Order: sequence, then C-alpha cells, then structure tokens
Amino acid sequence: AQTVTQSQPEMSVQEAETVTLSCTYDTSENNYYLFWYKQPPSRQMILVIRQEAYKQQNATENRFSVNFQKAAKSFSLKISDSQLGDTAMYFCAFMKFTGTYKYIFGTGTRLKVLA
Amino acid sequence: DGGITQSPKYLFRKEGQNVTLSCEQNLNHDAMYWYRQDPGQGLRLIYYSQIVNDFQKGDIAEGYSVSREKKESFPLTVTSAQKNPTAFYLCASTLASSHNEQFFGPGTRLTVL
Repeated sequence: AQTVTQSQPEMSVQEAETVTLSCTYDTSENNYYLFWYKQPPSRQMILVIRQEAYKQQNATENRFSVNFQKAAKSFSLKISDSQLGDTAMYFCAFMKFTGTYKYIFGTGTRLKVLA
Repeated sequence: DGGITQSPKYLFRKEGQNVTLSCEQNLNHDAMYWYRQDPGQGLRLIYYSQIVNDFQKGDIAEGYSVSREKKESFPLTVTSAQKNPTAFYLCASTLASSHNEQFFGPGTRLTVL
C-alpha cells in the first residue's frame, strides 16, 4: 500500500526567506501524481502545485517549486520569498489511477511565516 | 461560479443521533470523496464514489454511510455507531483528466455534545 510521510510537523520562516517542506512516499508504481495542498486558517484546501511522475522537469508555480526525486521517492516543496499569507498547513498527496482515483495524504506540516 | 458547497458549516449532535452532512458540486465532476480531518492525522478517506449509484468504502468507513443518487450530490451520514465522530469533514471532487486535481469544499465541523 502507498504511504506518504511528512516528517516536519511544524516549521517557521522569516518573511522574505526561503523554506523547504519535505515529503517522502512509498510506492511500487511507476506512473502516479503528486500534489501539495495548502490549508490556511480558513481551512479551505487549495492546490499549490502538482507533479506527474513521468515528467522529469520539476514543477514551478510562481514562488512555489518542487524538487522531485523519483528514485528517492522524495517530493519537497520550496517556497521562495515567503509571505505572511503563506502561513498554513501544507499537505503532500499521492494519487495513482487504478480504475479509481484514490488519493493518499500525509499528516501535514504547519508552516508559520514570521514578520 | 462553479465549486463545491458543504452545509452546514458547524453542526452539533447529541450522542446516539444520526446526522447528515451535505455536499453539492456544480463542476460536472464524476468522482466525489469524503475525508475526515483530525489534528495530527491529516486527511483520512471515509467513502468515495466514481459514478452515480456506486460508491466504495475508504479507510475509515465504519459508522458512516453515503448515497450517490445524483452526480452533483454526495451526502454523508454519521451514524450513532461512529464512536468518535467529533471532527472536521471535507468533501472533494475530481474531474478525470490529465490534471487529476481534487477540488475541496469549505468543510463541516461536527461536534458531539
């Protein structure tokens, strides 16, 4: 069974600095999708970035980028120029289509951006 | 605007009562999901449905039931058999495509008194 591990329950970063959130996963599959979701204090889940496993190029969305290491089964999220609005819970998620779309989430990392 | 709605936002239940959480989407998504969120445990899958009139148990289905009579609607009933129902419940949907992103509703906070 697939598992997703986020080993950093809490992190903090100074405004305008860069922070990296780690995520590792366990799977024997070759084709799958990885996601980072953000859950701010409002608790609305928002997609931050996605990565298809068959793509070697790391995904980037403005200040957010990933370091996808397929062989190491690692999928870290880098937030550059951190802003106060980045304060949130961040969840890493794995999805493999096997006739159904089923997602597995990590336990989350609580990020606090300090002024 | 397209999206997912959940109601109510807050729900209080007495022990021994069943309660139904609403989830509606107008995104024309085929797949819908229910998750439970507890502190420190991330999102755990309760039930999911890929098509109308069909649904599957997730990892923590005991004490819950669902129906999928319409594509737009996927209500979750928390029964009295659920031993610890106090939690935050999230509904989500997915459009089968190359993106495979899950869209989430705003959630319902259920508290058992």
